[in-house]
Amino acid sequence: DIQMTQSPSTLSASVGDSVSITCRASQSISSWLAWYQQKPGKAPKLLIYQASSLESGVPSRFSGSGSGTAFTLTISSLQPDDFATYYCQQYNTYSRTFGQGTKVEIK
Amino acid sequence: EVQLLQSGGDLVQSGGSLRLSCAASGFTFSTYTMTWVRQAPGKGLEWVSAISGGGGSTSYTDSVKGRFTVSRDNSKNTLYLQMNSLRAEDTAVYYCAKSRASGGTYSPLDLWGQGTLVTVSS
Repeated sequence: DIQMTQSPSTLSASVGDSVSITCRASQSISSWLAWYQQKPGKAPKLLIYQASSLESGVPSRFSGSGSGTAFTLTISSLQPDDFATYYCQQYNTYSRTFGQGTKVEIK
Repeated sequence: EVQLLQSGGDLVQSGGSLRLSCAASGFTFSTYTMTWVRQAPGKGLEWVSAISGGGGSTSYTDSVKGRFTVSRDNSKNTLYLQMNSLRAEDTAVYYCAKSRASGGTYSPLDLWGQGTLVTVSS
């Protein structure tokens, strides 16, 4: 199975900061990578798919980049609503593994 | 309205069985691969199982192979997860989710159910 490793596990930032989260795959997944946002007690929400495509309705301050084995989610100018946990997921294979998550918390 | 409505979560003893359901509405259910994802208390997301639109292709994470069975009834727009020989480590919130693209070969999950809690007591 493909392993997905996110870093950091926790990120402390302030409103208005620009932050980046990294996701690495144990083997190449081309651009078959998605990013999700999850808030406590809620289902995950799709933000980015195919590594860099923004899902409809998602603010443009969210962006994704990368291909192969290294990917990045960037949030420019953090807003109060963005404090949450973020997960990457590969969908290159039928067994679609998630990263372990990155919690973005208020500094 | 496009939505997935889940039911079936409960408290069950170790070794017991449970069936989860996920009722879909607002989209052509039979054309989308559907997925089950779980989240243990305080932990991250774990992909559990998936089933193709027609039901002919299924896949499972290793830890549930031979114990869980995913199925669907396209006439009822409903997805199921039959869970047998449950273990304490299966305790989690279980989510059903829809693939973003019909066919679903290379597609993320764009619509999620509200989640249902399965608690396995030892």
